[in-house]
Order: sequence, then structure tokens, then C-alpha cells
Amino acid sequence: EVQLLETGGGLIQPGESLKLSCEASGFTVGSRHISWVRQTPGKGLEWVSLIYSDGNTYYADSVRGRFSISRDNSKNTLYLQVNSLRAEDTAVYYCALISSGWKRGPFDYWGQGTLVTVSS
Amino acid sequence: EILVTQSPATLSVSPGETATLSCRASQSVTTNLAWYQQRPGQAPRLLIYGASTRALGIPARFSGGGSGTEFTLTISSLQSEDFAVYYCQQYNAWPPLFTFGPGTKVGL
Repeated sequence: EVQLLETGGGLIQPGESLKLSCEASGFTVGSRHISWVRQTPGKGLEWVSLIYSDGNTYYADSVRGRFSISRDNSKNTLYLQVNSLRAEDTAVYYCALISSGWKRGPFDYWGQGTLVTVSS
Repeated sequence: EILVTQSPATLSVSPGETATLSCRASQSVTTNLAWYQQRPGQAPRLLIYGASTRALGIPARFSGGGSGTEFTLTISSLQSEDFAVYYCQQYNAWPPLFTFGPGTKVGL
């Protein structure tokens, strides 16, 4: 059974950094395409970043240069390093899996999310 | 960037009725369009992909249609557990840049 468990969120001050984790089970992170998607309080969904099984990475314009996606196959875990945080980065961060193997595919598995609050 | 819009923003329906939700993309996404359901306090759940294919375990009362720039999600014989927010998402853009619509809230 595929499961995704995000951790690492919390209250953080503007300009600081945080590392979010997404521990996977039921598949190996190195063999699938996985994204981070965030949802601001009371608002909609925004795609943040993606790492393909071949290791190529992509970012939304709003986070490029500040966020970095990576994975550790030995821990079967996906990461999102978030730097230079701003108030507008406050959101629930989900990891989401494209299980089909298509590079253009829907997110068919989601974690429960981890809340990041950026505030002084 | 492909922009995705949804209408209406809110839809009032009663149990047993049919709900029809619309999604529009700013340029053609062929059939690379998905629908998600999000209940309060939960993560989104994939309902439809490829514009019209139900995801695993999704009841037949959910159906999707359309291609290019215009898409619909129909929920027939609405049940109480279907009251939620529904998002459409395009995954056609290359390099990858997934975009979601703002959502339609289906309620009483």
C-alpha cells in the first residue's frame, strides 16, 4: 500500500530556513515521479516542485532559487529544503506521487500534509 | 503558463441531484486534465484523470468529459459525502508546470 508521510513543518520567522521530509512506503522514491504541492490557508492548491525518477528537477517560478527538492533512496524519503521564507510561503505542504510513470501524469497519491507558518 | 479557471465558485445542490462543474484552460491541454475532491481537513483525492477516466475506487456516479480547453465533471445522484471542494488540474505543460483551478465548493 502506498503511503506518504510529511514532517518538518512548524512556526518559523521570515528569512529563515526549514527542511520538509516525506517518508514513502509501498514504493521506492527513486523509481517514481514525486512532487511537492502547497495549499495556503483557506485557498487553493499550488504546485511547488517535482523530481522525476531520472533525477531531473523542476520548480514553480515563485520558489525557484529558494527551494530545493531532493531524495534519499536509502531512507526512501523525499525532501524540500525551503530557504529565505516569506509570509506568503505559509501553507500546508503536501507530497504527491505520480504513480503511473508518465512524466505528464496526475497526482494519484497524497500525504496528509505538514503546515509551515512563516511569521515574526 | 497555462491558466485554469473553474465555474461556478460555489454550487448549491441537494442529495440525489446532479451537479455539473466546469473547468477551462487558457490553451489546449488535450486530455491531460485531472479532477480532485477535497473534504475539510483532508488531502486532495484523485477522482478523474485523462479528462474522463475514473481513478481506482471512484464510484461510477463521478464522470468527466471534454478535451482541449473545456472540461466538465458531473456528479450524479449526489450523496452527502460528496459535499466538498473540487479542483481541476492540467498536467500537459512542458517543461512541467502543473496548474490547478481555484476550486468549486459543492454544498447544500
